[in-house]
Amino acid sequence: SQQGEEDPQALSIQEGENATMNCSYKTSINNLQWYRQNSGRGLVHLILIRSNEREKHSGRLRVTLDTSKKSSSLLITASRAADTASYFCATDGETSGSRLTFGEGTQLTVNP
Amino acid sequence: DARVTQTPRHKVTEMGQEVTMRCQPILGHNTVFWYRQTMMQGLELLAYFRNRAPLDDSGMPKDRFSAEMPDATLATLKIQPSEPRDSAVYFCASGRGGSWYGYTFGSGTRLTVV
Repeated sequence: SQQGEEDPQALSIQEGENATMNCSYKTSINNLQWYRQNSGRGLVHLILIRSNEREKHSGRLRVTLDTSKKSSSLLITASRAADTASYFCATDGETSGSRLTFGEGTQLTVNP
Repeated sequence: DARVTQTPRHKVTEMGQEVTMRCQPILGHNTVFWYRQTMMQGLELLAYFRNRAPLDDSGMPKDRFSAEMPDATLATLKIQPSEPRDSAVYFCASGRGGSWYGYTFGSGTRLTVV
């Protein structure tokens, strides 16, 4: 079963708006990562947050992590049509030996 | 940019045939994964290598799947015999050391078994 569960499953917004995706997980983690997948392509690593961090920024991306609630969120600010993709959270569990377990993903559509 | 190369990109085969998928990890990366992606199951880990040694292949159906790293520049995933339920996109990913830098994925092999 998937470690991470994401919501919403699908999100449709207008260009310029912010997009927020959430991820919940079940076991203790070393880190949590977010990946993007464009249709028909491989996954691209976006950002990693360690278990002892609460927030991290990279360009228009902001990730938060709440280990007490076992949840994370990914915020994309000022979205663009090119941000249209599926977004996956992935966890490296404390006992997983660097293996990543992926959530089911959020399909983001940014309308021009 | 360095990339993970997977071949073939697409494969259509008949049930019962052997299928071999290949992956060239990024030079210097010592960790290699095989994942399978389907609509129903999402991304599933099939096999995991570090320094060419298999660390975990518990996600693979052992009777038909095998994964190897004959050298540091090549990882292979074989299915013999293939079945229609094996139809999926198979991804290879590589990284250095642990997961702290994230992993780089290839573009995948889309397998269709008819």
